[in-house]
Amino acid sequence: QQKVQQSPESLSVPEGGMASLNCTSSDRNFQYFWWYRQHSGEGPKALMSIFSDGDKKEGRFTAHLNKASLHVSLHIRDSQPSDSALYFCAAKEGFASALTFGSGTKVIPCLP
Amino acid sequence: EAAVTQSPRSKVAVTGGKVTLSCHQTNNHDYMYWYRQDTGHGLRLIHYSYVADSTEKGDIPDGYKASRPSQENFSLILELASLSQTAVYFCASSERDRQYFGPGTRLTVL
Repeated sequence: QQKVQQSPESLSVPEGGMASLNCTSSDRNFQYFWWYRQHSGEGPKALMSIFSDGDKKEGRFTAHLNKASLHVSLHIRDSQPSDSALYFCAAKEGFASALTFGSGTKVIPCLP
Repeated sequence: EAAVTQSPRSKVAVTGGKVTLSCHQTNNHDYMYWYRQDTGHGLRLIHYSYVADSTEKGDIPDGYKASRPSQENFSLILELASLSQTAVYFCASSERDRQYFGPGTRLTVL
């Protein structure tokens, strides 16, 4: 079983709509969480990190962490065509530890 | 923006042959990583390094070696390439936290 599991595998989002991505960890040692975005043909790029319970907002992106349930989510509001990408959740134990990635959620913007 | 480059960008290798993938960073970062990406598995860590002349095994090190001759350079070596090693390989660097990825190398083993 993968230590970091993401759902759904793919998600169609109307332009201007809201996308919600989920991530659950099975390892209680994971304390630090990241969201990475990968556009087709490119390397992943860090979107945002979240280390404390609650919400963290950066522009159109909001991450939510619940450490008790080891659940992290990413919400993308006002979906744009440029949001078409593979989104990875990643977790690590310590600040300097290596990351463990989930298998990704593919976001597919569509016409409203 | 931090810069990580990889070479070659794509390669076709024969089964049993030796393959070396190279990574170079100009970020002055201490940490460097090698990942492979397969459909359905996301990114899996092969080897990483905290300092020059030292490497550590990641989650899937079997069949791979790594070399960190300097802070800037990190290589991944497949001594005997196998069909199962066909994948896209990414190098990344970090200063402990945010990782900066290269553009990837698409390796096909025939």
